[in-house]
Amino acid sequence: EPEVTQTPSHQVTQMGQEVILRCVPISNHLYFYWYRQILGQKVEFLVSFYNNEISEKSEIFDDRFSVERPDGSNFTLKIRSTKLEDSAMYFCASSPRAGGTDTQYFGPGTRLTVL
Amino acid sequence: AQSVTQLGSHVSVSEGALVLLRCNYSSSVPPYLFWYVQYPNQGLQLLLKYTSAATLVKGINGFEAEFKKSETSFHLTKPSAHMSDAAEYFCAVRTNRDDKIIFGKGTRLHILP
Repeated sequence: EPEVTQTPSHQVTQMGQEVILRCVPISNHLYFYWYRQILGQKVEFLVSFYNNEISEKSEIFDDRFSVERPDGSNFTLKIRSTKLEDSAMYFCASSPRAGGTDTQYFGPGTRLTVL
Repeated sequence: AQSVTQLGSHVSVSEGALVLLRCNYSSSVPPYLFWYVQYPNQGLQLLLKYTSAATLVKGINGFEAEFKKSETSFHLTKPSAHMSDAAEYFCAVRTNRDDKIIFGKGTRLHILP
């Protein structure tokens, strides 16, 4: 069964550095998402992406964050000038269609630790 | 705005006992509701979803949930717990106006032998 994959599983970085989290969505999906979960808190929406554009972003997704689909398979989340509070589990998701009842399929997550 | 509240961050049940995980939602428009499960070191997997077709929804692994509009609830149940059900369970809401999913804080289910 097709699945969303994410690399790395764990990323440790120093505060102020840049990180890139990588995701390979399910191949025929058109809508892509990033969510994050700070330890002990809710899973929170960051951004949705369709047709090489951001469709929606949350307040968390500030100027330090960016997303890109550099080729036909990868979907990346870049965080510049990382802060301690960026430490969280980051989940990528993809969906064949947007909205309503359509299922978003999630990857296993990347745990980001900012020191 | 939509929101979801899950009562109980940890729930423990004995193997073979009824599993009940509570979820209440808030939405100004008709909601679509989801339950996701996360096993250790794995991603979020869809258990079941309410799409307004039927109020009692059956999912994978013997789980089901009932949408009760009058109570704004979507509780998850399973008649008989199995050790393999130990995981974290997330209730979530979405509407036709939004693409993003709004999650609850999650409930960790522990199964006692």
